[in-house]
Amino acid sequence: AQKITQTQPGMFVQEKEAVTLDCTYDTSDQSYGLFWYKQPSSGEMIFLIYQGSYDEQNATEGRYSLNFQKARKSANLVISASQLGDSAMYFCAMREGGNKAAGNKLTFGGGTRVLVKP
Amino acid sequence: GAGVSQTPSNKVTEKGKYVELRCDPISGHTALYWYRQSLGQGPEFLIYFQGTGAADDSGLPNDRFFAVRPEGSVSTLKIQRTERGDSAVYLCASSLTPKGQGNYGYTFGSGTRLTVV
Repeated sequence: AQKITQTQPGMFVQEKEAVTLDCTYDTSDQSYGLFWYKQPSSGEMIFLIYQGSYDEQNATEGRYSLNFQKARKSANLVISASQLGDSAMYFCAMREGGNKAAGNKLTFGGGTRVLVKP
Repeated sequence: GAGVSQTPSNKVTEKGKYVELRCDPISGHTALYWYRQSLGQGPEFLIYFQGTGAADDSGLPNDRFFAVRPEGSVSTLKIQRTERGDSAVYLCASSLTPKGQGNYGYTFGSGTRLTVV
């Protein structure tokens, strides 16, 4: 089974509207971290937001918020008030493994391409 | 430096040749990672360094791939006898702490696009 699943290959969103990008994950670890990255056409992966498995509150960073539903193993990204510059690929990623060295790598989903329409 | 620097940004090589890809992490970041991103896919983990040593090389696809970080800063990913299937963007990332958690995350470079012809 895939560890990170992003079911939306591509989405259109109207400028100034909110958009939700889906991410489900699969792990048997109790301690893990979830990340969202933005990858514009330039190729660089830009860190957006982080949620720890033990964090009780959903993470927020400016216009980005993470809808963390632990029981459903879901970590959806919500982008509010979309801007033209938000057009990019978005990747959900997970770090597992607690304190083991193997637990430092990220496992990425296949990504969702977002296109913001003016 | 201000960010993670990767050189070259683009590399075209002939099948069977040897290539080296360089990563210069953020100063002070002890953890360094290499990922490979094929067209239309998410990045896939290759290798992780903590300091000078490779703490996890489980993602290296075969023995043609090797990476070093001799002084705990700059890292070089080396690919021998390149094959067309090695064509991808090779991303390097560094983090202040091994877990890359919280506001630090993992900082990625812009990648090296390798094309094997």
